[in-house]
Amino acid sequence: GAVVSQHPSRVICKSGTSVKIECRSLDFQATTMFWYRQFPKQSLMLMATSNEGSKATYEQGVEKDKFLINHASLTLSTLTVTSAHPEDSSFYICSARLTGLADYNEQFFGPGTRLTVL
Amino acid sequence: KNQVEQSPQSLIILEGKNCTLQCNYTVSPFSNLRWYKQDTGRGPVSLTIMTFSENTKSNGRYTATLDADTKQSSLHITASQLSDSASYICVVNGYGGGNNRKLIWGLGTSLAVNP
Repeated sequence: GAVVSQHPSRVICKSGTSVKIECRSLDFQATTMFWYRQFPKQSLMLMATSNEGSKATYEQGVEKDKFLINHASLTLSTLTVTSAHPEDSSFYICSARLTGLADYNEQFFGPGTRLTVL
Repeated sequence: KNQVEQSPQSLIILEGKNCTLQCNYTVSPFSNLRWYKQDTGRGPVSLTIMTFSENTKSNGRYTATLDADTKQSSLHITASQLSDSASYICVVNGYGGGNNRKLIWGLGTSLAVNP
């Protein structure tokens, strides 16, 4: 149980285009989902916390107008990278937290999406 | 500043050998500590989660230890297999509201198991 999927697994796009990444909790409901970014040989960096039915909370330095997050249901959150540029190329990973376990903060991670902006 | 430091940065061992990875942290207050395995190009997979009251926890060939007094943890891998080649990341969950509850990530130890 507690499987999280992401789609697509990899995407290549031209500079200036927008890219949408989906994150789904397949067998559980997730009130809260998280979006991370990971650059080569670096640790995961939290970008934003996404709560179902409300606005996402962004970490300092993350542009909310560039990284649009929508969490419309208890099983789906989307991240849209708007007007992507080569510096946005990275590995994007989502995670989902089981409802009711906020204090424990156990998160289940998706397989990641490799974004390459040409 | 809350930090999680891991050592060694990278490690190469022969298949079948054991190894131990280290994690030191300064996160306080502290709720739990977890070890993740991350294969190249994949998301992290949880190996163990320990609260401050637990000293050791095993998951198959993986055994994690925790000393909350010295703020140290270790991950011991027994009888390594080629599939153990991955990055092993120590993550500490702070306790409390706001930023204290966030996951603090180490940079990981890159393990290569050679035949």
